[in-house]
Amino acid sequence: EVQLVESGGGLVQPGGSLRLSCVASGFTFSNYWMSWVRQAPGKGLEWVANIKHDGNEKYCVDSVKGRFTISRDNAKNSLYLQMNSLRAEDTAVYYCARKLYGSGSLDYWGQGTLVTVSS
Amino acid sequence: AIRMTQSPSSLSASTGDRVTITCRASQGISSYLAWYQQKPGKAPNLLIYAASTLQSGVPSRFSGSGSGTDFTLTISCLQSEDFATYYCQQYYSYPQTFGQGTKVEIK
Repeated sequence: EVQLVESGGGLVQPGGSLRLSCVASGFTFSNYWMSWVRQAPGKGLEWVANIKHDGNEKYCVDSVKGRFTISRDNAKNSLYLQMNSLRAEDTAVYYCARKLYGSGSLDYWGQGTLVTVSS
Repeated sequence: AIRMTQSPSSLSASTGDRVTITCRASQGISSYLAWYQQKPGKAPNLLIYAASTLQSGVPSRFSGSGSGTDFTLTISCLQSEDFATYYCQQYYSYPQTFGQGTKVEIK
C-alpha cells in the first residue's frame, strides 16, 4: 500500500524557518517525481514544487523561489521542503504527493501537515 | 502562468442528478489536465488524468473530456459520497496551476 506521511509543521514566527519531511512507503520511491502542494485555510490548492526522481531537476512556484528548497533522500525514501523567510501568506496545509508515472498528475497524497506563520 | 478558471464556483444538486463542471485554460494545454475530488479535512483524490483517462479505482460515473483550452468533468449520476469540492489542474507547463475549485452541495 502506498503511503506518504508528512511531518515538521507547526507554528513559526514571520521570518523563521521550518523543514517539512515526507516519508514514503509501499512503492519504489527512487522511480518517481514528487511534489509539494499547499492549501491555505479555506482556500484552494496551490502547487509549490516538484523534484525529479534522481533529484537533478527541481521546479517551484515564483512566490517561494529563493526561500523554499525541495530535496529528497532516496536512500531514506524521504522528501523534504526547507522553508526559510516564512511569511504569513505561507500559512497552509502542506501536502506531499507522488506524480503518476508518465504524467504530471498526482496519484497519491499524504494527509498534510499544517504550517502556521504568525507572531 | 496559465490561469485555470472553473465554473460554476458552486452548485446544488440532488442524488441521481447529472452534474457537469467546466474548466477553461488561459492558453492551450493539449490534454495535460487532471481532475481531483477533495472532501473536508482530507487530501485531494485523483479522478481523471490526461483530460479523459479514469484513474484506477474511480467509479465509471465520473468522466472527463476536452482538449486545448476547454474541459469538462461529468458525474453521470450523483451519489451521496460525491458531495465534495472538485479541482482541475494543468500540468502542461510550470508553474503547474489549479482551478479555484467547484463545491458540489446537496440541494
